[in-house]
Amino acid sequence: AQKITQTQPGMFVQEKEAVTLDCTYDTSDPSYGLFWYKQPSSGEMIFLIYQGSYDQQNATEGRYSLNFQKARKSANLVISASQLGDSAMYFCAMREGRDSSYKLIFGSGTRLLVRP
Amino acid sequence: NAGVTQTPKFQVLKTGQSMTLQCAQDMNHNSMYWYRQDPGMGLRLIYYSASEGTTDKGEVPNGYNVSRLNKREFSLRLESAAPSQTSVYFCASSEAFGQSWDYGYTFGSGTRLTVV
Repeated sequence: AQKITQTQPGMFVQEKEAVTLDCTYDTSDPSYGLFWYKQPSSGEMIFLIYQGSYDQQNATEGRYSLNFQKARKSANLVISASQLGDSAMYFCAMREGRDSSYKLIFGSGTRLLVRP
Repeated sequence: NAGVTQTPKFQVLKTGQSMTLQCAQDMNHNSMYWYRQDPGMGLRLIYYSASEGTTDKGEVPNGYNVSRLNKREFSLRLESAAPSQTSVYFCASSEAFGQSWDYGYTFGSGTRLTVV
């Protein structure tokens, strides 16, 4: 079974508008973490935002916020005021448990294109 | 600059050839990882090393071997390359759990490998 599901292969958004990228996850572990990474066309992986399963509030980092709905097992990324430089692949990832290996499981990604 | 360094950045191999991908980090992280990224499939874990002296298989270990040479270095070896191993390979590192959860991994810039 898929642990991390990103159902939007591609998305378009108009510059300066907000966009939501969907991510659902599957785990029975009460302790887990959720991450979003950005991969521009240059290929590097850039950490954006993190949400812990016990965090009471939704995470925010500048124009990025994570809409964490624990009961629905969703962790959607919201980008406000989109910029042309936001055009990239976006990956949702999950870390389960508190073991020492700290493995991340990635979704298949969403390609975002920001239109001028 | 501190970070994860991967070499080479690009490589073309003939089927059956062998090669080693090198990875080094200078952040004193305990854990290191090798992922492969194929189009439409996100990143999949090949092998990881939770700490110096230990290595474990990830999701797609077949056809690969690894060596954790010391705390800084973690290499990935293809003994007999196959066209199915054409991919982009990422090395990453992280601190052990409880230290840097909210930053996830630090990734290298990737190695684009083509097997013909």
